[in-house]
Amino acid sequence: EVQLVQSGAEVKKPGESLKISCKTSGYSFTNYWIGWVRQMPGKGLEWLGILHPRDSDIIYSPSFQGQVTFSADNSINTAYLQWRSLKASDTAIYYCATSAPRDDYVHCFNYWGQGTLVTVSA
Amino acid sequence: EIVLTQSPGTLSLSPGERATLSCRASQSIHSDYLAWYQQKPGQAPRLLIYAGSDRAAGVPDRFSGSGSGTDFTLTISRLEPEDFAVYYCHQCHSSPRTFGQGTKVEIK
Repeated sequence: EVQLVQSGAEVKKPGESLKISCKTSGYSFTNYWIGWVRQMPGKGLEWLGILHPRDSDIIYSPSFQGQVTFSADNSINTAYLQWRSLKASDTAIYYCATSAPRDDYVHCFNYWGQGTLVTVSA
Repeated sequence: EIVLTQSPGTLSLSPGERATLSCRASQSIHSDYLAWYQQKPGQAPRLLIYAGSDRAAGVPDRFSGSGSGTDFTLTISRLEPEDFAVYYCHQCHSSPRTFGQGTKVEIK
């Protein structure tokens, strides 16, 4: 069974750094893209980008390039989303999601984590 | 960037009625790279339809997807109480991948 389990909610101050995690299981982590999606309060889904763990190929959305950093630790099948300096406007739920196979389909996001709420407030 | 425009923004219907949700792309998309997700309050999105028209395992057959090129449709044949939610279309045809803004299906 494919599972993506994200780290817990965070409350941070503007200017602080943060790294949240997405621990995966039930599939071959290094073979499929894993990505991040933002959902601001009461709003829709926004694609931040994707990372391929095998070669660390990364595609950032132009809207988020330079604002966030993706990484992965293949030894523990975990992906990370990192901020160097948070802003109040980063307050949102962040989901990880993977294109691991579902009914042999390997293109769009097939499985999602439960989300991590990040609150940035002075 | 491919822009996905969903309509209507909100659909007010009664249980048992048919729901038709539209997703229009600013450029042609191969249907293999078009998915639909359902999101309920406080929950992560759930995959409903992949490759434009294939139901994910466990999704009731009252959900169906269709379309090609720039016009795609999600149809719920007879709404059940648990179907009232927000629905998003998503393209993974080209980067940056994008989502539609969502259609909320609410109880009339």
